[in-house]
Amino acid sequence: EAQVTQNPRYLITVTGKKLTVTCSQNMNHEYMSWYRQDPGLGLRQIYYSMNVEVTDKGDVPEGYKVSRKEKRNFPLILESPSPNQTSLYFCASRPSPILAGVYEQYFGPGTRLTVT
Amino acid sequence: AQTVTQSQPEMSVQEAETVTLSCTYDTSENNYYLFWYKQPPSRQMILVIRQEAYKQQNATENRFSVNFQKAAKSFSLKISDSQLGDTAMYFCAFMTTLNSGGSNYKLTFGKGTLLTVNP
Repeated sequence: EAQVTQNPRYLITVTGKKLTVTCSQNMNHEYMSWYRQDPGLGLRQIYYSMNVEVTDKGDVPEGYKVSRKEKRNFPLILESPSPNQTSLYFCASRPSPILAGVYEQYFGPGTRLTVT
Repeated sequence: AQTVTQSQPEMSVQEAETVTLSCTYDTSENNYYLFWYKQPPSRQMILVIRQEAYKQQNATENRFSVNFQKAAKSFSLKISDSQLGDTAMYFCAFMTTLNSGGSNYKLTFGKGTLLTVNP
């Protein structure tokens, strides 16, 4: 089954304790992206990756890191989490370049992160 | 910067009736893609319908259809015969290229409309 998986699905942590949220896709997509969702703000892009070893900042990258060492994996790293990073996080992937008729992004199930 | 506006933070509709969710966007691009995503209480992002800007025909998926007005930069979603399972947050999204080569596209979301279907 074609899918994007994220782990963990729920995480409660304390300020300053480094954490990693994993993301993996099995569709051989080149493009992967991380979003955060906050009430009243919709989804905002944190980082994206066009392909292996190619990453770039999105709209809200402060406090986050990413890496793309393998095509299928795109982990999100919070080196020193703070309470304002409490949010719902989504990983997504799609083909790149956009293929004829195939251009939508596929989303993971989301990770609910709480930083106290 | 591209922007997507959903002017209705919340809406409600009676079961079996029809409801329309509004979405407008701002862009100077001519080639882009539009989407409606549904987010039920499970929080999963589910693609409802999509539209290529170069296509004049409005997209339809079963009970879901769009009214795409390119000149007005409007992309509304109509849900016919509303069902209780349609209760969800709905996000309008817009995707366009960030580079001249067309290989890097960015997806921008509206803030969402919470739709409640009442029995």
